[in-house]
Amino acid sequence: GAVVSQHPSWVICKSGTSVKIECRSLDFQATTMFWYRQFPKQSLMLMATSNEGSKATYEQGVEKDKFLINHASLTLSTLTVTSAHPEDSSFYICSARFGANVLTFGAGSRLTVL
Amino acid sequence: GESVGLHLPTLSVQEGDNSIINCAYSNSASDYFIWYKQESGKGPQFIIDIRSNMDKRQGQRVTVLLNKTVKHLSLQIAATQPGDSAVYFCAETLINDYKLSFGAGTTVTVRA
Repeated sequence: GAVVSQHPSWVICKSGTSVKIECRSLDFQATTMFWYRQFPKQSLMLMATSNEGSKATYEQGVEKDKFLINHASLTLSTLTVTSAHPEDSSFYICSARFGANVLTFGAGSRLTVL
Repeated sequence: GESVGLHLPTLSVQEGDNSIINCAYSNSASDYFIWYKQESGKGPQFIIDIRSNMDKRQGQRVTVLLNKTVKHLSLQIAATQPGDSAVYFCAETLINDYKLSFGAGTTVTVRA
């Protein structure tokens, strides 16, 4: 159990377009999900905390108008990178809390902006 | 916020030997620590965790040690196997909010 699925696993888009990444908890409900970004050969950096039914909480330095997060149901959170630029190219990973103290990560979504 | 750091960026180990990966954390308020393994192009995979009220925890072939006095965390892998080759991250958080702060990562390469 406790599987988190991300879609798409990779996406290539043109500069200026928007891209949506989905994060689903497949066999459990997650009131809270987290979005991380990872640049090549670097660590994961927390971008925001996604709360079901309420606004996301963004970490310092993360533009909320650029990285739109929607957590409309207990099994789905989406991250939309708006007006993407090459510097937004990264590996985006979500995680969800399962049970008392287990965090499960998705497989990640690699975004390349041309 | 404060971040977790790792002492060595790379570790090369002979197959069958034991591996020790170190981590220094800076937030003395953190009370929950987790080790993750990340293979290329994949998300982090949970290895083992430890709460601040413990100083040692063992799993299958892995042991985590926590020294709160010097804010140091280590992961020991026994009888390292080729499948253990990956990047290992330690992460810290407050157990009530689960907002993880990751260390820089150590790349472990297992030599046959």
